[in-house]
Amino acid sequence: AQSVTQLGSHVSVSEGALVLLRCNYSSSVPPYLFWYVQYPNQGLQLLLKYTSAATLVKGINGFEAEFKKSETSFHLTKPSAHMSDAAEYFCAVSSNTGNQFYFGTGTSLTVIP
Amino acid sequence: DAGVTQSPTHLIKTRGQQVTLRCSPKSGHDTVSWYQQALGQGPQFIFQYYEEEERQRGNFPDRFSGHQFPNYSSELNVNALLLGDSALYLCASSETSGRWADTQYFGPGTRLTVL
Repeated sequence: AQSVTQLGSHVSVSEGALVLLRCNYSSSVPPYLFWYVQYPNQGLQLLLKYTSAATLVKGINGFEAEFKKSETSFHLTKPSAHMSDAAEYFCAVSSNTGNQFYFGTGTSLTVIP
Repeated sequence: DAGVTQSPTHLIKTRGQQVTLRCSPKSGHDTVSWYQQALGQGPQFIFQYYEEEERQRGNFPDRFSGHQFPNYSSELNVNALLLGDSALYLCASSETSGRWADTQYFGPGTRLTVL
């Protein structure tokens, strides 16, 4: 079975500061991991995905995430926050056939000017 | 290239009624998944359709049913609506290769309100 846990339902950072959103996964098989972003009243947009290639994954809008098997983590980072980054972020793990995604409960990111 | 589209955008129903939501997948995608996202929660998997059949199902009652058409578009039907069915319903499409369904791309969702 697969699951993800997102630590911190709300994160606030100042504009220009480092963004760190935490995600820990549980999987009985090598996981495929994803980060999605959701803006108000919209669907989910793929930020990046890990599919067992490079452990450091670069995504859109300057975001990146590092897969750490020893820590069962897949934290999302961005060196410098922008006002437009304010949104809800979801970490997800897929089943071993990719047929089902298991989402975390989300982290709401607020960027303070 | 159009992405995943869903209709309608918003819907208001009363308890006991039935509702049908529609989804057109991204061009080149043959697999459609449906998710329910309650307010303040992450999306919960309802079911996935591939080759016009339900391939996998989450923990949802039989009131939730679906269909996939030969052009890969899909419908989600919910019968005997309950207040708790109020949510954003998301459709996601992907491409299946063998047994593996690739990355899912999401539509904007349909906001269902049950009164």
